[in-house]
Amino acid sequence: QSVLTQPPSASGTPGQRVTISCSGSSSNIGSNTVNWYQQLPGTAPKLLIYSNNQRPSGVPDRFSGSKSGTSASLAISGLQSEDEADYYCAAWDDSLSVVFGGGTKLTVL
Amino acid sequence: EVQLVQSGAEVKKPGESLKISCKGSGYSFTSYWIGWVRQMPGKGLEWMGIIYPGDSDTRYSPSFQGQVTISADKSISTAYLQWSSLKASDTAMYYCATSYSGSSDFDYWGQGTLVTVSS
Repeated sequence: QSVLTQPPSASGTPGQRVTISCSGSSSNIGSNTVNWYQQLPGTAPKLLIYSNNQRPSGVPDRFSGSKSGTSASLAISGLQSEDEADYYCAAWDDSLSVVFGGGTKLTVL
Repeated sequence: EVQLVQSGAEVKKPGESLKISCKGSGYSFTSYWIGWVRQMPGKGLEWMGIIYPGDSDTRYSPSFQGQVTISADKSISTAYLQWSSLKASDTAMYYCATSYSGSSDFDYWGQGTLVTVSS
């Protein structure tokens, strides 16, 4: 059971907009920033969004993040086949550890 | 170019010890935290702990405290993750990753080291 809760799966058709939620508590998302990772099949995770809504250099602006209270969301607009991957949210928890969501498998139909 | 290069796959027996490595290059090794993340087969990411090579300040997840040891040798820009007595449940992919803040923002990742523990 992960500390941060994500839906196990999400799907969309090419060109669609999909969102993935991440629910936490006052000790993690509620008081710290959220980061999102993309893990393509068979590869290491990649930082996709940091500090709730910032994109590292090279990440397309189709990816965006937001946070409200103890929840966060990742939105992907203009969905492409290469976006098919697992997505994880992460945050620092005041119990002095990093916590991850269980991951969401995104399928592009 | 920032790179983290991890040691190769390992196959070990239960009870054996193991030390895997993560060599950093292309950045100031002593100025960034290096964390270790476990991914069991078909499962999600789990934070194990983190070390600041500059002064060897080390923090562990409560789930992994006492189960593994994280260390670093700044003279050769290498971080380590070690076990004194492996269990079958340690079978997983292990990733190292850098973080400037020491929090959950891991910006560069190693390629992963697959550890298989089987009798």
